[in-house]
Amino acid sequence: RKEVEQDPGPFNVPEGATVAFNCTYSNSASQSFFWYRQDCRKEPKLLMSVYSSGNEDGRFTAQLNRASQYISLLIRDSKLSDSATYLCVVNDGSSNTGKLIFGQGTTLQVKP
Amino acid sequence: GAVVSQHPSRVICKSGTSVKIECRSLDFQATTMFWYRQFPKQSLMLMATSNEGSKATYEQGVEKDKFLINHASLTLSTLTVTSAHPEDSSFYICSANQGRLDTQYFGPGTRLTVL
Repeated sequence: RKEVEQDPGPFNVPEGATVAFNCTYSNSASQSFFWYRQDCRKEPKLLMSVYSSGNEDGRFTAQLNRASQYISLLIRDSKLSDSATYLCVVNDGSSNTGKLIFGQGTTLQVKP
Repeated sequence: GAVVSQHPSRVICKSGTSVKIECRSLDFQATTMFWYRQFPKQSLMLMATSNEGSKATYEQGVEKDKFLINHASLTLSTLTVTSAHPEDSSFYICSANQGRLDTQYFGPGTRLTVL
């Protein structure tokens, strides 16, 4: 079983649509959770951290359910520029080195 | 935000040669740097954790004699792929911590192609 699991997609949606991505993680000791965005042939860039209370940044909303070990990302009013791969990332709760564990990523393609 | 650079951004080499990749934190001191590898359509896989002034910690399955890591200063870590083979062709990305353990800033990556 992968430590961080995501549906690879691709998700093909029209502009303006709302799309949701889900992620599950296996290590109950993980304490920090993130969504990163990765464009083709580029490095990952931090999109947002995910907090237990849920957090919102503009059109993006992230939710965390520790009991179910489940993380979600909701994108409202999709733009063409949102097309990218979205990586669910958790810290390795078994170590104190700051190691991060990446999911495979979910690919989003927003069409005109 | 913190800036991490990598050099070179792209390298093509012959099989059997060694390639050195540099990772620099430009505006902060990084006590820990991480080296990742990403194959097409796959996620980032951590190769090793590099601490300034000490030996790197390698992940299971990563050959330390093949992937030499040196972290000689708080702003520079290098990864040397020794005796490169075509299967080493990949996207190598470094990241660095800015003090707080979980805040990692990524370099732009180095695309290695071994012929």
